Amino acid sequence: DAGITQSPRHKVTETGTPVTLRCHQTENHRYMYWYRQDPGHGLRLIHYSYGVKDTDKGEVSDGYSVSRSKTEDFLLTLESATSSQTSVYFCAISGNQETQYFGPGTRLLVL
Amino acid sequence: DAKTTQPPSMDCAEGRAANLPCNHSTISGNEYVYWYRQIHSQGPQYIIHGLKNNETNEMASLIITEDRKSSTLILPHATLRDTAVYYCIVRVPMTTDSWGKLQFGAGTQVVVTP
Repeated sequence: DAGITQSPRHKVTETGTPVTLRCHQTENHRYMYWYRQDPGHGLRLIHYSYGVKDTDKGEVSDGYSVSRSKTEDFLLTLESATSSQTSVYFCAISGNQETQYFGPGTRLLVL
Repeated sequence: DAKTTQPPSMDCAEGRAANLPCNHSTISGNEYVYWYRQIHSQGPQYIIHGLKNNETNEMASLIITEDRKSSTLILPHATLRDTAVYYCIVRVPMTTDSWGKLQFGAGTQVVVTP
């Protein structure tokens, strides 16, 4: 399995608070992605990165920001968490521009 | 990316081959067929992908029809640990305009029974 870890694995927070999720890889892959998974919607891309400090929006980026200051870390920030952001968040990495490998996920509950 | 159609569910007996169909009748010439699976509460797991030719790896085989409008994922000897949702995805190769986004549909829930 690809060396991908996500932290925290579970988080409960309150509406209006900022939250940061971390994705860490040990594969030195160039591309990193953040997805969210919700019942009835499948996996949807939030943001992706194609290199250090190079990021772009996915299909559901509103309310989220990302940063990538070094190859191995990709951070997802919920600037002011809302209940609609309760979800399971998956990070993915890709090195060969063909195959993405996913992390174990972070379950976020916004009360 | 081309849309895919999969049956919502299927059962398979342990030790038997599981054949998972996928229809992608609008696929374009440069679009790959990918298969992922997701075991409950885990992240999606890459299985296999192909363009035109049949492919095989340690997990599965991928059979793509000659017209490329459909494909079949074959798990040769299903085990209980193969119980998962299986996703068939078609996508274009990564370019400067397409950064490898995978569009997951509803998939097929496969249940392997003893």
